[in-house]
Amino acid sequence: DIQLTQSPSFLSASVGDRVTITCRASQGINTYLAWYQQKQGKAPKLLIYSASTLQNGVPSRFSGSGSGTEFTLTISSLQPEDFATYYCQQLDSSLLFTFGPGTKVAVK
Amino acid sequence: DVQLLESGGALLQPGGTLRLSCTASGFNFGSYAMSWVRQAPGKGLEWVSAITGSGATTYYADSVKARFTISRDNAKNTLFLQMNSLRAEDTALYFCAKSRVRLPSAFDSWGLGTLVTVSS
Repeated sequence: DIQLTQSPSFLSASVGDRVTITCRASQGINTYLAWYQQKQGKAPKLLIYSASTLQNGVPSRFSGSGSGTEFTLTISSLQPEDFATYYCQQLDSSLLFTFGPGTKVAVK
Repeated sequence: DVQLLESGGALLQPGGTLRLSCTASGFNFGSYAMSWVRQAPGKGLEWVSAITGSGATTYYADSVKARFTISRDNAKNTLFLQMNSLRAEDTALYFCAKSRVRLPSAFDSWGLGTLVTVSS
């Protein structure tokens, strides 16, 4: 089974900061990677799919990159509504999904 | 607008059975794969199961294989999760989620979840 790791698991940042979260896969997954944002008590929200495609309606300050085993989610200028937990998710060749453990972005 | 509404969550004892439902509206239900994703209290997301748009093919996480069964009724726009032999570690908020396309893919819409608690 393919495993995902995320780093850091926690980060504190200020409004306006550039934030980067890394997701690593235990095997190559091409670009079958998505990123989600989850706020406390809410359902997750799709931000990025196919590693770098921005979901409709998601602000352009969010971007994704990578392929194979290493991927990044970048928030170019952190906004107050962006404090949340972020998860990466992969879809393997057997059409089985795995989520990463999450990265919590908190106020510094 | 896409809407997904889960129901059927309950408190039950280990070894019990439960059937969750997810009623969909606002899109052509049969054209999209659907999944169940769960989140234990204070923990991360765990994908549970997926089903193709036609219902012909199903997929399961190892943790629930042979205990849970996913199904769908496209005529009633409803997704199901039959849960048997429940364990304490199945305690979680269960979300249904819509894939972007007919085959399993990234989840572009989610319900609010239904809570399953397994405890003696």
